[in-house]
Amino acid sequence: GAGVSQTPSNKVTEKGKYVELRCDPISGHTALYWYRQSLGQGPEFLIYFQGTGAADDSGLPNDRFFAVRPEGSVSTLKIQRTERGDSAVYLCASSLEGGRDTSYEQYFGPGTRLTVT
Amino acid sequence: AQSVTQLGSHVSVSEGALVLLRCNYSSSVPPYLFWYVQYPNQGLQLLLKYTTGATLVKGINGFEAEFKKSETSFHLTKPSAHMSDAAEYFCAVSGGENYGQNFVFGPGTRLSVLP
Repeated sequence: GAGVSQTPSNKVTEKGKYVELRCDPISGHTALYWYRQSLGQGPEFLIYFQGTGAADDSGLPNDRFFAVRPEGSVSTLKIQRTERGDSAVYLCASSLEGGRDTSYEQYFGPGTRLTVT
Repeated sequence: AQSVTQLGSHVSVSEGALVLLRCNYSSSVPPYLFWYVQYPNQGLQLLLKYTTGATLVKGINGFEAEFKKSETSFHLTKPSAHMSDAAEYFCAVSGGENYGQNFVFGPGTRLSVLP
């Protein structure tokens, strides 16, 4: 089947605007992760969903960042009052299971490149 | 807290030469360990992983890695580099059942393969 998809692939926005980034995971995957990857760095964990609920949102940098997964499939990462420092590639990943056993492989989408001007 | 270090942000090898990408982790208990590869403008792809059992793990594209608990290392190797191996490589650690749920990625190593 299809892999993890993310839309848009690129997003340019002005400082202070609101943006939404969408992730469509692999069908049947219960766990969904959001990461942020800045230039020259590895992905940085933001939030993890198990089903519809956020099991761990400890990586969200501040309250301008919020994510939802209302039906346990598609997820949206929302960023309010964007700042230039939010510019990065936002990666989404899904896995068959999550929770206590994190040995399951995460399948990554191609990412959304966000540029805040 | 867990951390992952990758020695060498950029490694260059000649085509046909040995590839060695280093990864060390800090963890009080043996974690789950992963290597991912990222080609330009593509998502991360799993190369291999160690969870339990045999410490020498074989992955795709001829790569393998060995978990050495005493050295807290999980170095990635390939006997003979190919031009198509040029990419960014990330080591990642997750805590496993008793330690933590989420992946911690290293900063990455960019591999260049010279003709």
